[in-house]
Amino acid sequence: SQWGEENLQALSIQEGEDVTMNCSYKTYTTVVHWYRQDSGRGPALIILIRSNEREKRSGRLRATLDTSSQSSSLSITAAQCEDTAVYFCATDSNMGYKLTFGTGTSLLVDP
Amino acid sequence: GPKVLQIPSHQIIDMGQMVTLNCDPVSNHLYFYWYKQILGQQMEFLVNFYNGKVMEKSKLFKDQFSVERPDGSYFTLKIQPTALEDSAVYFCASSRSSGNTLYFGEGSRLIVV
Repeated sequence: SQWGEENLQALSIQEGEDVTMNCSYKTYTTVVHWYRQDSGRGPALIILIRSNEREKRSGRLRATLDTSSQSSSLSITAAQCEDTAVYFCATDSNMGYKLTFGTGTSLLVDP
Repeated sequence: GPKVLQIPSHQIIDMGQMVTLNCDPVSNHLYFYWYKQILGQQMEFLVNFYNGKVMEKSKLFKDQFSVERPDGSYFTLKIQPTALEDSAVYFCASSRSSGNTLYFGEGSRLIVV
């Protein structure tokens, strides 16, 4: 799981497997963003889920949000090698002026 | 998709010197951000900027740091003087409004020696 003070998590799976990454956040947020960062690149948004949604899907991605436990998850179905990246969750402040990123999960998908 | 351009992509600088990192945000975006990332670790918020003013800055945004966007040109992060601990990748981001998606550039890798 990602958390403010933990080190970067690392997962290694085989192509075709499903994977779920978890994120816990500390403060109130109106939306959880999930970004992926490829090596040497900037982060790019892949899916976001708002506080009035419990689940959001986009292709092989599925995000969930539990505001009562302040946690979110990102699942990838049938992972492919090109899914290899670092995945960050990010929450916005009450005013929405900034995003606070989690520590990230490094996902390696082997062929 | 929308592109944020950052110049330079890499810079090596002597400790104590000044450096300016430049960011060309997405054209209709109004909110601008700088983040710092060390060794592929966590993205750490430095500062955000709207309507010509700093809205919020973190503890990482030391007195030696400053930001500006004169007359709609580049959004810049200036560090003067630089210190060894400033070595990192600095990412610029922009968004259309508060609470919207942040679009990031590819980063400026700064090495202070």
